[in-house]
Amino acid sequence: DAKTTQPTSMDCAEGRAANLPCNHSTISGNEYVYWYRQIHSQGPQYIIHGLKNNETNEMASLIITEDRKSSTLILPHATLRDTAVYYCIVRVRGGGSNYKLTFGKGTLLTVNP
Amino acid sequence: DGGITQSPKYLFRKEGQNVTLSCEQNLNHDAMYWYRQDPGQGLRLIYYSQIVNDFQKGDIAEGYSVSREKKESFPLTVTSAQKNPTAFYLCASRGGWKDTEAFFGQGTRLTVV
Repeated sequence: DAKTTQPTSMDCAEGRAANLPCNHSTISGNEYVYWYRQIHSQGPQYIIHGLKNNETNEMASLIITEDRKSSTLILPHATLRDTAVYYCIVRVRGGGSNYKLTFGKGTLLTVNP
Repeated sequence: DGGITQSPKYLFRKEGQNVTLSCEQNLNHDAMYWYRQDPGQGLRLIYYSQIVNDFQKGDIAEGYSVSREKKESFPLTVTSAQKNPTAFYLCASRGGWKDTEAFFGQGTRLTVV
């Protein structure tokens, strides 16, 4: 799986959009970008994933650059409960030998009142 | 409800004792994973299993052992050979060929004294 680079920490004001960047310059054509978040002392939670098109769900939006070397997770109206560590990972979908699932250190997003 | 369950939430053991952490899922997922998390750090992969009766070492397997006798269960044994066993342990599962996102348990915090 391709490696990712994320800032160690970010701050955001409550009610504003939080934009979390992720660099994945070595991503392969068949690798997807996945985002998870982990609230303190809980298990990580899936947020969203995408291949090359922008994606949106009830939690967030995912913007992937045209060259697919970077992406941005957008929380449109951050709340205090969005304070968490956000992980960006890239991996191939499907089974076979592609089951390994690794995480980096992620970005600690702190939403301030 | 379908989900993944880790037990117990907190576990205390004396140094030199083996201890087994439980992970059960009723999601009919093929793949299961064990991660270790230390304070302020990301998730590090210990072992993963793609299918019953098969498992592979992750990035930090030394001092740990696993079994996968049933699809639903993937217990992790922290042996006395693990030099720094005190940590937060997370179990996850993921669909195989259907390739769902990963679901995590709520974790077990192991303290060795």
